[in-house]
Amino acid sequence: SAVISQKPSRDICQRGTSLTIQCQVDSQVTMMFWYRQQPGQSLTLIATANQGSEATYESGFVIDKFPISRPNLTFSTLTVSNMSPEDSSIYLCSALTGGTEAFFGQGTRLTVV
Amino acid sequence: AQSVAQPEDQVNVAEGNPLTVKCTYSVSGNPYLFWYVQYPNRGLQFLLKYITGDNLVKGSYGFEAEFNKSQTSFHLKKPSALVSDSALYFCAVRDIQGNRDDKIIFGKGTRLHILP
Repeated sequence: SAVISQKPSRDICQRGTSLTIQCQVDSQVTMMFWYRQQPGQSLTLIATANQGSEATYESGFVIDKFPISRPNLTFSTLTVSNMSPEDSSIYLCSALTGGTEAFFGQGTRLTVV
Repeated sequence: AQSVAQPEDQVNVAEGNPLTVKCTYSVSGNPYLFWYVQYPNRGLQFLLKYITGDNLVKGSYGFEAEFNKSQTSFHLKKPSALVSDSALYFCAVRDIQGNRDDKIIFGKGTRLHILP
């Protein structure tokens, strides 16, 4: 298993600003992902964070809005840019260990006002 | 592309009774299948997985799941439900084809209510 730490755990932001979420894993992992979840709803994959190359975005998500970095095998960031109230959600970092199951951070609860 | 269906938004079970949470999947290659649980205001916790081998897999907290290839199903089960099992359950799938390592896609979730 892996322990995944996400920061911040929650934030309230003004519209038009940007927030960067950090994800730190306690061991090297093969793949890292970013998901978005409305409370009580399913998880929607935003992108796969690739180490040493550009992230792979899912349909409906673009790099200008959600830039992602992954400088090494244990760390990634997701930035939510030019925020609007529609971006209010829970953002979850996930990591694949051993190539099978994924583990999740506790999430970042974002409220845009 | 892979997909996962959880046909029930909510399942209600009396404490002590057996429970089943349904999941069906669609992949073009071989599936890796997972169940996760989410308690209120918490992250997702891994419960169990099917990769290969025995179709009945056992996981945390007394849960088990049965892989059925012909029905493309992976239902979650527990012989005797506890009130503390009340939570949101997600089925998930990875589509493994050759050397391509694919992402994990989640079902919409099923809320399980165990009635005392």
